[in-house]
Amino acid sequence: DGGITQSPKYLFRKEGQNVTLSCEQNLNHDAMYWYRQDPGQGLRLIYYSQIVNDFQKGDIAEGYSVSREKKESFPLTVTSAQKNPTAFYLCASTRRRSGGPYNEQFFGPGTRLTVL
Amino acid sequence: AQSVTQLDSHVSVSEGTPVLLRCNYSSSYSPSLFWYVQHPNKGLQLLLKYTSAATLVKGINGFEAEFKKSETSFHLTKPSAHMSDAAEYFCVVVSLGGYQKVTFGTGTKLQVIP
Repeated sequence: DGGITQSPKYLFRKEGQNVTLSCEQNLNHDAMYWYRQDPGQGLRLIYYSQIVNDFQKGDIAEGYSVSREKKESFPLTVTSAQKNPTAFYLCASTRRRSGGPYNEQFFGPGTRLTVL
Repeated sequence: AQSVTQLDSHVSVSEGTPVLLRCNYSSSYSPSLFWYVQHPNKGLQLLLKYTSAATLVKGINGFEAEFKKSETSFHLTKPSAHMSDAAEYFCVVVSLGGYQKVTFGTGTKLQVIP
C-alpha cells in the first residue's frame, strides 16, 4: 500500500538533546512538508521541500533542521535550540504543481515528542 | 494575504442530527479548498476538496461542502451525525504564493452525544 510512515510514534527527549524524526513516503511525491501541531493552534509549517536537495523554511523553522537527500525521505531534527519542542509532529507530501487546481496533501500518522 | 477562519472551536450535536462546521477564507488568488478530519493522536485524512469544478462537493462518510464565492465560505455539512464522526476537523486553503501556499484553520472539535 502507498503511504507515508513516521517513526517513532512516541519520542522522549532530555533537555539539551537533539532528536531526529523520520518521515518516509512511497507515493512518488515531489513535495514534502513538516508541521507542528499544538492544541488550539492548528498546524504550523516548519519546513518544506519541493525537490531533492532543496528545502525552504516555513513559518516556525527556528530550532529545527531538515535534509532531503532522497525523494522518499525527509527527516526532521529537533535541536536543543528549540525551546519548547513538546508537540505533535506531522509529515505530509503532495504531487507538485505549478498552478491550480492544487493537489491534496497526504499525511503520516504523526510523532508525539515530549521533553522530559 | 491568505487566511482561514473556522468560526467554532467546538461543536456538539446529538447522534442522528445534522452537522454544520463553518469555514470562511480569504485569498488573493483562486484557491483550492479542503476539509480534513483528524482522530485523536492520528494523522489527517482528506474528507473532500473543491478545485474549481462543481461548487457542491461530496466527500467520504456522507460529508459534503458548498463553495460560495460571494460569501467566501466553504461550510462542511452532514445530514445525520454518527458516533464515529467525533473528531477534529480542519479547513484548508491552498493557492499560489511563491510555492503551493497551504493555510490551515485552527480546527473544530466535533462532539457527538449518544
